[in-house]
Amino acid sequence: AQSVTQPDIHITVSEGASLELRCNYSYGATPYLFWYVQSPGQGLQLLLKYFSGDTLVQGIKGFEAEFKRSQSSFNLRKPSVHWSDAAEYFCAVGAVGGYNKLIFGAGTRLAVHP
Amino acid sequence: KAGVTQTPRYLIKTRGQQVTLSCSPISGHRSVSWYQQTPGQGLQFLFEYFSETQRNKGNFPGRFSGRQFSNSRSEMNVSTLELGDSALYLCASSPRGDAVGETQYFGPGTRLLVL
Repeated sequence: AQSVTQPDIHITVSEGASLELRCNYSYGATPYLFWYVQSPGQGLQLLLKYFSGDTLVQGIKGFEAEFKRSQSSFNLRKPSVHWSDAAEYFCAVGAVGGYNKLIFGAGTRLAVHP
Repeated sequence: KAGVTQTPRYLIKTRGQQVTLSCSPISGHRSVSWYQQTPGQGLQFLFEYFSETQRNKGNFPGRFSGRQFSNSRSEMNVSTLELGDSALYLCASSPRGDAVGETQYFGPGTRLLVL
């Protein structure tokens, strides 16, 4: 069955430090992968997505992610974190059978220290 | 363009009651999906509608149902509410819902509390 694993439930970084959030997926074919961010009391906002082509994907707010087929990973990175990046981050994979069914990881809550 | 809107934003019900949640997609979007978000189970897919037809359904009991109207607006209904139905219900829309890598745009959600 398809699944998404985000190994880190909580991460705390200092403002200005670099960030990497991990995501591993299980999927039989070429997946299409997403990173969403959720601020408290809000819906989900798309940061970036991958479905083909260049394995390094650029997104909004200075985020990027790299698709590594050999490791079944799609890690999210940011070189310098801002206090406003504090939120919960979700990795998701498009499900077999399509029609917009996304399978989400459990999420990683990011705290940013000043 | 206006984003996805959901009404109401907050709702309190008691066990055994039923509830209807509404979602208006982005103008021109014809696919609407619903997700349930809880602390214990995370984000789970409920169902997806396109042109008034349910094309995909998640693993939820029959108490959860939905429909889509000709203007693409969608409603979901939960009957005989249980305490475990307390959750944030998120609606998402996209143009077609079947294009590879198509982006889903999420609304702010309806927070349902069942007492």
